[in-house]
Amino acid sequence: EAGVAQSPRYKIIEKRQSVAFWCNPISGHATLYWYQQILGQGPKLLIQFQNNGVVDDSQLPKDRFSAERLKGVDSTLKIQPAKLEDSAVYLCASSLDRGRGNEKLFFGSGTQLSVL
Amino acid sequence: QKEVEQDPGPLSVPEGAIVSLNCTYSNSAFQYFMWYRQYSRKGPELLMYTYSSGNKEDGRFTAQVDKSSKYISLFIRDSQPSDSATYLCATPYSSASKIIFGSGTRLSIRP
Repeated sequence: EAGVAQSPRYKIIEKRQSVAFWCNPISGHATLYWYQQILGQGPKLLIQFQNNGVVDDSQLPKDRFSAERLKGVDSTLKIQPAKLEDSAVYLCASSLDRGRGNEKLFFGSGTQLSVL
Repeated sequence: QKEVEQDPGPLSVPEGAIVSLNCTYSNSAFQYFMWYRQYSRKGPELLMYTYSSGNKEDGRFTAQVDKSSKYISLFIRDSQPSDSATYLCATPYSSASKIIFGSGTRLSIRP
């Protein structure tokens, strides 16, 4: 079974530039998550999709971050303009369903972003 | 106060030792608890989950929940160098399965 695919693996940009990350979840997984993991911290949920609808984006800095999930499959997370504090690993995860307390998340390897 | 808190470590123990990793949580309404393992430059992977109080065992790993003290533990028996990773405790924040994570404990097993 193919896992969650993310690209690019690494990205270095200057502050105020824009950047986009791509995620392809496991086939058949209805729920897709974007997490931000700053060095030394646990993952922080940015946005959660159920199919192509947003379930939770309460911690997404909407003045600079945007995300979409095309046709309920692939997803793109964009940052425009980037700030130094956006330097982190951006993790995409998917799961079969939502609403169950023991939901198993499958993570990609993440995109490591460095903002200079 | 963070919803889930962990000692960040790092924790270094010799091979074969018993490891104890711990988390505390703030909301008594939390019912499910998970442990994820994250190797360097990889995404987290689910190791175990438990419901409510009690123990759950899977091979060398035992997860324990004490709801009275809001304490979650993961025990690793006969630790191996391959267990060297960051261990994250997690719980669903609401019925919408918003999974929130602790900050993680970095574990190193010395051969």
